[in-house]
Amino acid sequence: DVKVTQSSRYLVKRTGEKVFLECVQDMDHENMFWYRQDPGLGLRLIYFSYDVKMKEKGDIPEGYSVSREKKERFSLILESASTNQTSMYLCASSERQPGTNEKLFFGSGTQLSVL
Amino acid sequence: LAKTTQPISMDSYEGQEVNITCSHNNIATNDYITWYQQFPSQGPRFIIQGYKTKVTNEVASLFIPADRKSSTLSLPRVSLSDTAVYYCLVGPWDQGGKLIFGQGTELSVKP
Repeated sequence: DVKVTQSSRYLVKRTGEKVFLECVQDMDHENMFWYRQDPGLGLRLIYFSYDVKMKEKGDIPEGYSVSREKKERFSLILESASTNQTSMYLCASSERQPGTNEKLFFGSGTQLSVL
Repeated sequence: LAKTTQPISMDSYEGQEVNITCSHNNIATNDYITWYQQFPSQGPRFIIQGYKTKVTNEVASLFIPADRKSSTLSLPRVSLSDTAVYYCLVGPWDQGGKLIFGQGTELSVKP
């Protein structure tokens, strides 16, 4: 089974801190994604990456950056955490195979609280 | 990307068949329909995907009428463990990560 592992299940940080959320997948997937999930808003795409050292903005990239130095690892960075970034963060990966259906595999999420 | 509309919540009882319908009136020719399931405190999990007619796997069935403007996820004989949020997504097959997860349908299965 594909495994997407997020480094922390719960995280509490203070306003202004730099926060790193780590995600590792073990199936050699090309694509990786970061979402945040808030009550009533569903999942919103923050950033994604189709290859090493490649990144593209999703729907809500403001206040975030990402890093993908290795294929299996995709990091989300909050440069200066703010209270409105308190949320559940979900990482996902998928494999690109032309002619097949792309399926997302999600991690269990990191519940981040910014105080 | 096509916009989807699905009920916010549904209730059912153990052993019943549950059908969740999703409307997607502006679906494009190259769009697929994909359903995900999310349990509390977990990430979503892929359930099923289809393009037209009927698709069945070990978890669910997906019914898509000829005009493809809606689709129905069918869960046979639900149990308490099927209590979850179900998301309907519509878009091209290679845009999985960029599809829009709406609020989904919160299914509550009661004993």
